[in-house]
Formats: sequence, C-alpha cells, structure tokens
Amino acid sequence: QSALTQPVSVSGSPGQSITISCTGTSSDVGAYNLVSWYQHHPGEVPKLIIYEVNKRPSGVSNRFSGSKSGNTASLTISGLQAVDEADYYCCSYAGPITVFGTGTKVTVL
Amino acid sequence: EVQLVESGGDLVQPGGSLRLSCAASGFTFSSYWMHWVRQAPGKGLVWVSRIDNDGTTTDYADFVTGRFTISRDNAKNTLFLQMNSLTVDDTALYYCARTHYSGSQFDSWGQGTLVTVSS
Repeated sequence: QSALTQPVSVSGSPGQSITISCTGTSSDVGAYNLVSWYQHHPGEVPKLIIYEVNKRPSGVSNRFSGSKSGNTASLTISGLQAVDEADYYCCSYAGPITVFGTGTKVTVL
Repeated sequence: EVQLVESGGDLVQPGGSLRLSCAASGFTFSSYWMHWVRQAPGKGLVWVSRIDNDGTTTDYADFVTGRFTISRDNAKNTLFLQMNSLTVDDTALYYCARTHYSGSQFDSWGQGTLVTVSS
C-alpha cells in the first residue's frame, strides 16, 4: 500500500502551464480509470478538481485537465493564477483500498 | 446542502482509545460509501478506511488493520471510527468523506477532527 509518487513541488509564473505527475503501479493507477485529483489550500477542505482521470466536476475551471498513460496520471493547470497556489493530491482506486499521492506544492512565482 | 461534521477528536495517551463520529446531512446517507482520510501535521492525505452504503463491507489501510473499526448508523446518518491502541503516529486531522461507490471520487469532505496522541 505505497503512496503514489508525486513531485514535492512545482512552480510556474502567472499565465504559464504546469503539469504534475502521479506515478503508481499496475495495481492502482494502471489498473483502473479511477484517478482523481484534489486541490487543498491549508486550513481548508480538500476540493475535488478531476475525477475518472479526465472529468471535471461542475464549477471547476477548465484550466484544470487530467490524463493518464500506463501507470502515470497527470494534472495540467493552464493559465496559472495566484489562486492556484495550493497542495495537490492524486488519488487512485487500488481495489479494494484507495491510495493517495504524496502531494505536490504548487507555487505561483 | 451536503454537510459532514466530524467530532470526537481529543488528546489521548499512547495506547488509549478514541471514537470519532461524522454526522451527515443534506443527502441520502444510506446511498453512499463513507471513508476516513487523515492528514498528519505537515504531511499529506492518507486514506484510512471505508464502509459500503449498508455497512456490510469494510476495508482498512494496513497501518490500522486490527486497531481501528469503521461503522455506520444509517438510521442516525452517522459514521464512526473506533480507534484503539493509538500511537503517536496516529496524530492527525481526521476527515470523513463520501463516495458514490467503491473507488469513485471523494466529492464531499468534512472539516476534520483533530486527534493528538501524546504522553
């Protein structure tokens, strides 16, 4: 039950695009199209921003997009804004359990 | 409006026990799987346990198996986590969260309840 591997930090300037990777195994990310992503501002509740690899909940900006290739999922934030500065976590079903990523701190320069 | 409100967090000594509750409102509680997710100070989110909508299926992360028990009372719209044999490593903010089915996304979260294990 190892955590999915994410980069510790990613940074970018306003308006740029950044991509966060989430590497798992053939038992979790690679096995199911049940990868989700959460934005977590310190002191607030985690917010769902992507589910089922590449679907956006209603109300979430289309600047957020998700994809997956093999055992690695990715979250791309385009048109980076100051409000995007937060921690981001991927999450995957690993039947029957669920596993989160190690988390990535996004900094807007 | 969907609401999940955790309670029961406290300061407890190593080896002690604690029971967390999560009161749900604003949705049909018995239709959702429920989970506990924790976040230790300065650390990331970690999945702890889940229970299916009618309480017949439960699963746990390896690090809590045999020590924690998840349960629910659908008549009272409440989720529970009984925590025994607590260690300092269990110190964390504990969130309850819901999913539509096994493996689906966490679409609502509570604010969390803080458990501190210290002598």
